[in-house]
Amino acid sequence: GAVVSQHPSWVICKSGTSVKIECRSLDFQATTMFWYRQFPKQSLMLMATSNEGSKATYEQGVEKDKFLINHASLTLSTLTVTSAHPEDSSFYICSARDRGSGFVNTEAFFGQGTRLTVV
Amino acid sequence: DQQVKQNSPSLSVQEGRISILNCDYTNSMFDYFLWYKKYPAEGPTFLISISSIKDKNEDGRFTVFLNKSAKHLSLHIVPSQPGDSAVYFCAASITGNQFYFGTGTSLTVIP
Repeated sequence: GAVVSQHPSWVICKSGTSVKIECRSLDFQATTMFWYRQFPKQSLMLMATSNEGSKATYEQGVEKDKFLINHASLTLSTLTVTSAHPEDSSFYICSARDRGSGFVNTEAFFGQGTRLTVV
Repeated sequence: DQQVKQNSPSLSVQEGRISILNCDYTNSMFDYFLWYKKYPAEGPTFLISISSIKDKNEDGRFTVFLNKSAKHLSLHIVPSQPGDSAVYFCAASITGNQFYFGTGTSLTVIP
């Protein structure tokens, strides 16, 4: 099946620094990718929808200046957590849908997730 | 506002018996539903889906039922196996775009 690769899988950073997370679709083109965040024992929360070649669409309550999303190609989207703080520590997951299979009634493929710890 | 809810945070079932995981949603515009399985520190893995034009979809040991009038769906696993122990998320979307997830149900299958 389709594979989505997310890197890094685990990162620790100092408070105030920025961290970039990459999400790549390895064997398909993804016009749209999604970024989720999960706090312990809570649901996956959609943060933003990343569209290739255009600005990302952010969910209500998500700061676009803090969580910078760039979808420069059909196989790569990046999420940069800027000026990270301990409360940003979480599990971040991306997903992508196969452009070739259309946009209706197909499952999304998920990356492995990135565990971010801000100290 | 949680549009997709899984009211049971955990479920324990004996091996070989049926596991039933439930999910409720509030947005009547949702027309596509998914169940995902997730192990700790890993991304979710797709299990099974159902479109709103159907009320049942079956794939091997997994069956998803959709009751649109009640805005309720359920996942049946039969027979349950120890390897099924994981957290299960239901997700809903409108026309298959961004998905909204429930809070998850942790299933433990006891050997």
